[in-house]
Amino acid sequence: SQELEQSPQSLIVQEGKNLTINCTSSKTLYGLYWYKQKYGEGLIFLMMLQKGGEEKSHEKITAKLDEKKQQSSLHITASQPSHAGIYLCGADRNGGSQGNLIFGKGTKLSVKP
Amino acid sequence: KAGVTQTPRYLIKTRGQQVTLSCSPISGHRSVSWYQQTPGQGLQFLFEYFSETQRNKGNFPGRFSGRQFSNSRSEMNVSTLELGDSALYLCASSLAGMYAGYTFGSGTRLTVV
Repeated sequence: SQELEQSPQSLIVQEGKNLTINCTSSKTLYGLYWYKQKYGEGLIFLMMLQKGGEEKSHEKITAKLDEKKQQSSLHITASQPSHAGIYLCGADRNGGSQGNLIFGKGTKLSVKP
Repeated sequence: KAGVTQTPRYLIKTRGQQVTLSCSPISGHRSVSWYQQTPGQGLQFLFEYFSETQRNKGNFPGRFSGRQFSNSRSEMNVSTLELGDSALYLCASSLAGMYAGYTFGSGTRLTVV
């Protein structure tokens, strides 16, 4: 079965620093989603990537899906305390779109002011 | 427009009891999926409904069930609660097209004592 591995598991950065979170799949990715979660709350949608080589940006966050569609990265530029939270990558299982997402274990980001 | 609404936000139940959680999707979204999130297992897919029909089911015991109504609102039920059912239950709604994206609610925190 498909698995998503995120790295690192946790990250502490100084405010203003850049950082990257990776998400690696054991199988080809069809629809890769990035979400952010504050502890105990719902998931906030960040970005969705579909095509190999695709790159999307929103404010200071950029996500890429590599050409082989088995790895995605999330890059935050000039981090701020508001970026703190848990970042989760999710993927449509087996290429379907029937709400059956698998998720990585998450990367916990702390930003020190 | 209103987001995905989950009720109640918090719930405390005793072992052996049953519980019903509710999810109202974004207007126009016909797909509703449910997830269980625990510190140990992370986010795991429970089931997905589209037009009142369950299309996909995750690997959970039969104590976990759900349904969807004609207005797309969904409920999930857990019978004979166990301590291990304590978790954050999240639902997500989608337009159900390929790569339509999934919007999550804030979740229901269930504690079984």
